[in-house]
Amino acid sequence: GAVVSQHPSRVICKSGTSVKIECRSLDFQATTMFWYRQFPKQSLMLMATSNEGSKATYEQGVEKDKFLINHASLTLSTLTVTSAHPEDSSFYICSARMGGNNEKLLFGSGTQLSVL
Amino acid sequence: AQKITQTQPGMFVQEKEAVTLDCTYDTSDQSYGLFWYKQPSSGEMIFLIYQGSYDEQNATEGRYSLNFQKARKSANLVISASQLGDSAMYFCAMREGRRRDDKIIFGKGTRLHILP
Repeated sequence: GAVVSQHPSRVICKSGTSVKIECRSLDFQATTMFWYRQFPKQSLMLMATSNEGSKATYEQGVEKDKFLINHASLTLSTLTVTSAHPEDSSFYICSARMGGNNEKLLFGSGTQLSVL
Repeated sequence: AQKITQTQPGMFVQEKEAVTLDCTYDTSDQSYGLFWYKQPSSGEMIFLIYQGSYDEQNATEGRYSLNFQKARKSANLVISASQLGDSAMYFCAMREGRRRDDKIIFGKGTRLHILP
């Protein structure tokens, strides 16, 4: 069935390095994907909307150069955290709407990023 | 102003009792959708139920039902016959509009504890 696959599930990196997170739609095409960030015991905050073949739409306060989003195909969107710092440590989770008459928003399993 | 308000940060309920989780929303759109998601400690986001603004009947999915009061702008989740496995964080969310790339925003969540 339709699933959103997100990798890696956990990553630990040194400050200053870049980290790429992949989000794939399986068994369906996702022209739009959404990237959220979640701090411990808090809600999901929308970072950006990723559209296949065009530039992502970022929410207010989210640095475009810091969080690079690429949606090169109908099944893959990537989020790259550039020059990561400890304050970027968070749970990142992607999602995609199944489309058609199906309103369900499917989520990936999330990526726990820890920057040392 | 918050678009989605969940006023219960935490709830404790005895197993097998029914639970109502509150959610109110704020929108001036005529077309919108309301969602409930469950997030266990593993972090995954599990879709529970969806209600469209034009749906006349309250949505139901197994033990979950959505009490949709359009005039009051409330979309409470009702869980019948609660189980220990229902212990988790529950988020109410809203999509304004009907386009595929219309973003979905989340409330702060309610942590539900089911007591044996």
